[in-house]
Amino acid sequence: QSALTQPASVSGSPGQSITISCTGTSSDVGGYNYVSWYQQHPGKAPKLMIYEVSNRPSGVSNRFSGSKSGNTASLTISGLQAEDEADYYCSSYTSSSTPSFGTGTKVTVL
Amino acid sequence: EVQLVESGGGLVKPGGSLRLSCAASGFTFSSYSMNWVRQAPGKGLEWVSSISSSSSYIYYADSVKGRFTISRDNAKNSLYLQMNSLRAEDTAVYYCARDWGELLWVLNYWGQGTLVTVSS
Repeated sequence: QSALTQPASVSGSPGQSITISCTGTSSDVGGYNYVSWYQQHPGKAPKLMIYEVSNRPSGVSNRFSGSKSGNTASLTISGLQAEDEADYYCSSYTSSSTPSFGTGTKVTVL
Repeated sequence: EVQLVESGGGLVKPGGSLRLSCAASGFTFSSYSMNWVRQAPGKGLEWVSSISSSSSYIYYADSVKGRFTISRDNAKNSLYLQMNSLRAEDTAVYYCARDWGELLWVLNYWGQGTLVTVSS
C-alpha cells in the first residue's frame, strides 16, 4: 500500500493553468480507471473534485479536469483563482482491492 | 442534506484503546459502503479501513490490520472504528467518509473529523 507520487508544490498566477501529476504503477493508476482527486483547504475536510479519471461531480467547476496516460494521472486547473489555493490529493483503486492516496500537492496562487 | 459527524477522539496513552463513532444522516445509510481516512498533523491523507453496506466486505490498511476493527449498525445509521494497541504514529484526525456507492472508492461526503492523540 504505497502512496502515489505527487509533486510537493505547484504554483501559478491568477488566470493561468496548472497541472498536478499523480504517478503510480500498473497495479494502481495504470491498471484501473478509478482515479479520484480531492481538494482540501486548511482545517477543512477533503472535497471530491474528480472521479473515475475525468468525471466531475455536480457542483464542481468545469475549470477542473482530469486525465490519465499510462501510470500517471493528472489534474488540470484552468483559469486559476485565489480560492483554488489548497492541498490536492489523488487516489486510486489498487490491485490489493483497496485505495491508495497520493502524497499531496500544495497549490499556491501567486 | 448528507451529514457525517464523528466523535470519540481524545488523548490516549500508547497501548491504549479508543472507539470512534460516526453518526450519519440525510441519506439511506444501509445502501452505501463507508470508510475511515486519517491525516496525521501536517501530513497527507491515509486510507484506514472500509466496510461494505451490509458488512460483508471489510478492508484494512496494513498499518492498522490486527489492531483496528471497523463496524457499522445500519439500524442506528452509525459507523464505528475500534482502535486497540494504539501507537504514537496513530495520532491523526480521523475522518468518516461515505462512498459514492458500493466499494467504488469514490468518497463524496466527509465528516469534519475527530482528533486522536496517542501520547504518554
